Amino acid sequence: AQKITQTQPGMFVQEKEAVTLDCTYDTSDQSYGLFWYKQPSSGEMIFLIYQGSYDEQNATEGRYSLNFQKARKSANLVISASQLGDSAMYFCAMREPYGGNQFYFGTGTSLTVIP
Amino acid sequence: NAGVTQTPKFRVLKTGQSMTLLCAQDMNHEYMYWYRQDPGMGLRLIHYSVGEGTTAKGEVPDGYNVSRLKKQNFLLGLESAAPSQTSVYFCAIGRQAGNTIYFGEGSWLTVV
Repeated sequence: AQKITQTQPGMFVQEKEAVTLDCTYDTSDQSYGLFWYKQPSSGEMIFLIYQGSYDEQNATEGRYSLNFQKARKSANLVISASQLGDSAMYFCAMREPYGGNQFYFGTGTSLTVIP
Repeated sequence: NAGVTQTPKFRVLKTGQSMTLLCAQDMNHEYMYWYRQDPGMGLRLIHYSVGEGTTAKGEVPDGYNVSRLKKQNFLLGLESAAPSQTSVYFCAIGRQAGNTIYFGEGSWLTVV
């Protein structure tokens, strides 16, 4: 079974609008971490935001926020006020502390911001 | 890229050749990982290490070997390269209780 599922291969958003990128995860652990990374066309992986499974509040980092719904096992990324530079691939990831602190990644969502 | 250096950046191999990718870090992190990235498949974990002298298999370990003789270095070896190993390889590092992992710039490998 997939640990991380991203069902949106591609998304479009108008500049200055908000966009939500979906992510669901599968784990039986109580303690885990959820992450989002951005990969622009240049190829590097850029860390955006982190949410711990015990965190009661949704994580926010500037224009990025993580909509964490534990019961639904979802960790959606919300980008507010989209900018042209937000056009990139976005990957959701999960860390499971037990068994070696492995990180599992989804297949990614390609976001295109339209001027 | 947060003190993670991968060498080489680009390489073309012939089927059956061997090569080693080096990941070097200067952040003294315990955990090191090797991922491969293929179109439509995201990043898949090949091998990882939780400390000097230790290695473990990830999701797609076949055809690869690794070693971590020194804490700062994590080597990924291809003993007999196959076209299916054409990919972009990323090294990443992390702390035991860290909130993220940091990636190298990637190594583009083509096997012909």
